[in-house]
Amino acid sequence: KAGVTQTPRYLIKTRGQQVTLSCSPISGHRSVSWYQQTPGQGLQFLFEYFSETQRNKGNFPGRFSGRQFSNSRSEMNVSTLELGDSALYLCASSLGQIGVTDTQYFGPGTRLTVL
Amino acid sequence: AQTVTQSQPEMSVQEAETVTLSCTYDTSESDYYLFWYKQPPSRQMILVIRQEAYKQQNATENRFSVNFQKAAKSFSLKISDSQLGDAAMYFCAYQGNDMRFGAGTRLTVKP
Repeated sequence: KAGVTQTPRYLIKTRGQQVTLSCSPISGHRSVSWYQQTPGQGLQFLFEYFSETQRNKGNFPGRFSGRQFSNSRSEMNVSTLELGDSALYLCASSLGQIGVTDTQYFGPGTRLTVL
Repeated sequence: AQTVTQSQPEMSVQEAETVTLSCTYDTSESDYYLFWYKQPPSRQMILVIRQEAYKQQNATENRFSVNFQKAAKSFSLKISDSQLGDAAMYFCAYQGNDMRFGAGTRLTVKP
């Protein structure tokens, strides 16, 4: 089975712009979670999507949003970029079974640099 | 809120030796899962081992094993016969109502 894929792998933007990151989960996985990783804050949970609905949300401003399509692929959007948004954005997929905690498998990440 | 603490920012081990990475967590939930993930320089997060809180038996995956002490809320990772390829950042993670990660431990393996 192919693993989780994320595109693009690297991105450079300027302050004020917006950006869209994409994540394709492992085939059969219906849950996609997004994380931000920075040297200062570590790994922080952004949100989780399951069956095209946001199921869980971390403590991030409304500039961070996401969506999931019927094929389980997910996109994350950040609007009005700030310098502090520079980070590695990781996507993880899992089966997403209701009432069951299942293992998340991570993609290689998208490195976003905001200038 | 659930917190995950890794008290060792860096650890070093000689090749073929054994090393233990520490992790403690705080939670009021009774049902949860614990994980150790490895992040090598490539930045790809790789699942090392997982432990269900309801299981008393410690999980083992080849050279990797955990010491899960539920009452003490401790979840340490033991790596036996360390190899150069084990060098990476190791993250302890808690999954209950949400997923939280520790700050990570950077493991260096000396030849």
